Amino acid sequence: EVQLVQSGAEVREPGESLKISCKASGYSFTTNWIGWVRQLPGKGLEWMGAIFPDDSDTRYSPSFQGQVTISADKSLNTAYLQWTSLKASDSALYYCARRSDASLDYWGQGTLVTVSS
Amino acid sequence: HSVLTQPPSASGPPGQRVTISCSGNSSNIGRNYVYWYQQLPEKAPKLLIYRNSQRSSGAPDRFSGSKSGTSASLAISGLRSEDEADYYCATWDNSLTALFGGGTKLTVL
Repeated sequence: EVQLVQSGAEVREPGESLKISCKASGYSFTTNWIGWVRQLPGKGLEWMGAIFPDDSDTRYSPSFQGQVTISADKSLNTAYLQWTSLKASDSALYYCARRSDASLDYWGQGTLVTVSS
Repeated sequence: HSVLTQPPSASGPPGQRVTISCSGNSSNIGRNYVYWYQQLPEKAPKLLIYRNSQRSSGAPDRFSGSKSGTSASLAISGLRSEDEADYYCATWDNSLTALFGGGTKLTVL
């Protein structure tokens, strides 16, 4: 059974760094793109970018280029989303999702990030 | 603002048929497949329709998708209370960026 299990909720202060994770199981991790999607409180879905774990080819949405870093560790079957300096506006629910034949067919349960002083 | 345009809300009584539209242009919907995702309250999104009209495994046959030109639509027949959710259309651009609609909140009256 394909599963994407994300790390737990995080609370950080503005300016702090953060790395959240998405652990995949039930399929060959290196054969599918993994994407990240942001959902601001009460708002819709926004595509942030994706990584192909086999060669770490990474593509960012223009809106998120330079704002976050997407990475992956093949040995751990895990993808990551990272910030070096969080802002209050980064407070949101973040989902990872597997891209299969252009569908986002499996999603993680979401990680809530709260940035507040 | 989302690249794909959806109505913010839709509603209908149990048993009725409801349609949700999704409008794009020749660069996105016009040249790519459309996908639909259902997000139940407090849950992660779930794939509902892929390649314009194919139901994902587990999606009831009450759900159907279609595309014509630069627009797509999701139809839900025999509306049920458990269909109350947010629905998002999506497609891709040429650089592996997913484009989402703003979402439609479906209320079952």
